[in-house]
Amino acid sequence: DAGVIQSPRHEVTEMGQEVTLRCKPISGHDYLFWYRQTMMRGLELLIYFNNNVPIDDSGMPEDRFSAKMPNASFSTLKIQPSEPRDSAVYFCAIDGRQGIRTGELFFGEGSRLTVL
Amino acid sequence: AQSVTQLGSHVSVSEGALVLLRCNYSSSVPPYLFWYVQYPNQGLQLLLKYTTGATLVKGINGFEAEFKKSETSFHLTKPSAHMSDAAEYFCAVSEGSGTYKYIFGTGTRLKVLA
Repeated sequence: DAGVIQSPRHEVTEMGQEVTLRCKPISGHDYLFWYRQTMMRGLELLIYFNNNVPIDDSGMPEDRFSAKMPNASFSTLKIQPSEPRDSAVYFCAIDGRQGIRTGELFFGEGSRLTVL
Repeated sequence: AQSVTQLGSHVSVSEGALVLLRCNYSSSVPPYLFWYVQYPNQGLQLLLKYTTGATLVKGINGFEAEFKKSETSFHLTKPSAHMSDAAEYFCAVSEGSGTYKYIFGTGTRLKVLA
């Protein structure tokens, strides 16, 4: 779905390196979510933003994780330093249009991260 | 706090047979309920949703689900499975008002046998 573009699609890095995942949603949506998907834990909500402001980051696993949304068309999820247990697929998703929730999350295709 | 339980991480059905994927939820407020489908190497797509009103909701590709408050369930069904239905299915819950948090179940992988 062209509504949410994530990059990179695949990243392989070594433990200790910094990783930055990017999300470019189409404009006009009020809410942006970052999820992490693993076989063991399924889909976990990491953080979500409303109008570029972080609302709930209780799902962010540790201080090594940080997320920003400088404007309505761009968000980043950063891991520093990365660890092997961070290996997962990270999804960005959007919802809400002009203050009205649609109940339909539009997902990007995900960024598959492998930390060696 | 909200939670979702999907019974059965793997389900196999024959082509043409009934598909039944089970989902139970927990929510302290009236919930919004959803089913999403994920194909390999893709993000999730909405199949159907319940917000308010009619408790039997129809979605894409012939799927439907019924909200049963007394049973706290939202099971997904399709009368006749097709090979193209093979995918992973996720049930999700969100509060009907207030927070926009969507909590997902652990998923059920559907296999369709020829």
